[in-house]
Amino acid sequence: AQSVTQLDSHVSVSEGTPVLLRCNYSSSYSPSLFWYVQHPNKGLQLLLKYTSAATLVKGINGFEAEFKKSETSFHLTKPSAHMSDAAEYFCVVSLRNDYKLSFGAGTTVTVRA
Amino acid sequence: GAVVSQHPSWVICKSGTSVKIECRSLDFQATTMFWYRQFPKQSLMLMATSNEGSKATYEQGVEKDKFLINHASLTLSTLTVTSAHPEDSSFYICSASGATGELFFGEGSRLTVL
Repeated sequence: AQSVTQLDSHVSVSEGTPVLLRCNYSSSYSPSLFWYVQHPNKGLQLLLKYTSAATLVKGINGFEAEFKKSETSFHLTKPSAHMSDAAEYFCVVSLRNDYKLSFGAGTTVTVRA
Repeated sequence: GAVVSQHPSWVICKSGTSVKIECRSLDFQATTMFWYRQFPKQSLMLMATSNEGSKATYEQGVEKDKFLINHASLTLSTLTVTSAHPEDSSFYICSASGATGELFFGEGSRLTVL
């Protein structure tokens, strides 16, 4: 079985400052890890994913995440927040070759002008 | 990129009626589709896995007679909420996977039962 814990339910940052969203996972086998973003009343958009290649994964809109097996973490970062980054972010885990996803509880990001 | 379309995006219905939500993969064939339910300010919960041409696999605690899923073609899956009640009000999201294995999500359908 696999599970995901997002350590912060809400993160507030000033525009232009770094963003850090923390995620820890547990999985019996080698997992695939994803970060998705959801804007209000919208579906989910994939930001980035880790499968088995490089541990530092670059995604869209300047986001990146680092897979750290020793810490069972997959934290999401962005060097400079933009107002459009205000949204809900989900860390997601799945077993390799299994399409079933386990979602974290989500982190709400607000960006102050 | 691949697009998954849901219809309707908003629906309001009276208690006791049935509502059908469609999920279409617009530019790829989806052998597997997934239906999720999302309560306000909460995460997504997988309801069922839908495979084309076969019965859906429901997650524990999801009433299959309440939430009917049909995946009649490689581009269309439908979720029917039968005899809807106010507690069924929620945001329903589908996702679809194609040959590459990547998952694409629909825009979601908000159901309000009065």
